[in-house]
Amino acid sequence: AQSVTQLGSHVSVSEGALVLLRCNYSSSVPPYLFWYVQYPNQGLQLLLKYTSAATLVKGINGFEAEFKKSETSFHLTKPSAHMSDAAEYFCAVKNSGGYQKVTFGTGTKLQVIP
Amino acid sequence: DTGVSQDPRHKITKRGQNVTFRCDPISEHNRLYWYRQTLGQGPEFLTYFQNEAQLEKSRLLSDRFSAERPKGSFSTLEIQRTEQGDSAMYLCASSIESGGELFFGEGSRLTVL
Repeated sequence: AQSVTQLGSHVSVSEGALVLLRCNYSSSVPPYLFWYVQYPNQGLQLLLKYTSAATLVKGINGFEAEFKKSETSFHLTKPSAHMSDAAEYFCAVKNSGGYQKVTFGTGTKLQVIP
Repeated sequence: DTGVSQDPRHKITKRGQNVTFRCDPISEHNRLYWYRQTLGQGPEFLTYFQNEAQLEKSRLLSDRFSAERPKGSFSTLEIQRTEQGDSAMYLCASSIESGGELFFGEGSRLTVL
């Protein structure tokens, strides 16, 4: 069964510092992978998605993620954190075949310190 | 395109009552998903539809939960005989079959007293 594991439920970075949020996936077939962001009392918004076209995926708000099959990872990065990046981030996986439910990780809450 | 809309946004009910949530997906999207999210957790899959067909339902879902999408457009999620443990945010999302990504609504927050 497909699943994702997010390492670190809380991450704190200083404003201007590198953001690195970790996600490892488990899937028996080539997956689709996603990162979503959720601001307080709001729904989830797509940051970026991997669909096998390119291993380095660029998303909105300066975020990017790299698909590494050998490490089964899809970590999210941003070179310089903004105060507005403070939110909860969810990694998600969807199988490319069969029934296509999307499975989410438990989330990482990002705190940006001024 | 008005996005995915959910109604009501907030519902407070007493234990044992029935509640129903409605979701209107983006009009050209044929897939519709329901998720449940509790504080500090990721969205937990409940069920999903392709057009009017319910293709998968979580094994964790009690028989008190039922979802429909009668004409392949809007969907309803009903919870019968609510329990305090049902208190959560219920999220609806839709997608185009080939697109992959889910577009989420703002959610319906349920509080069971």
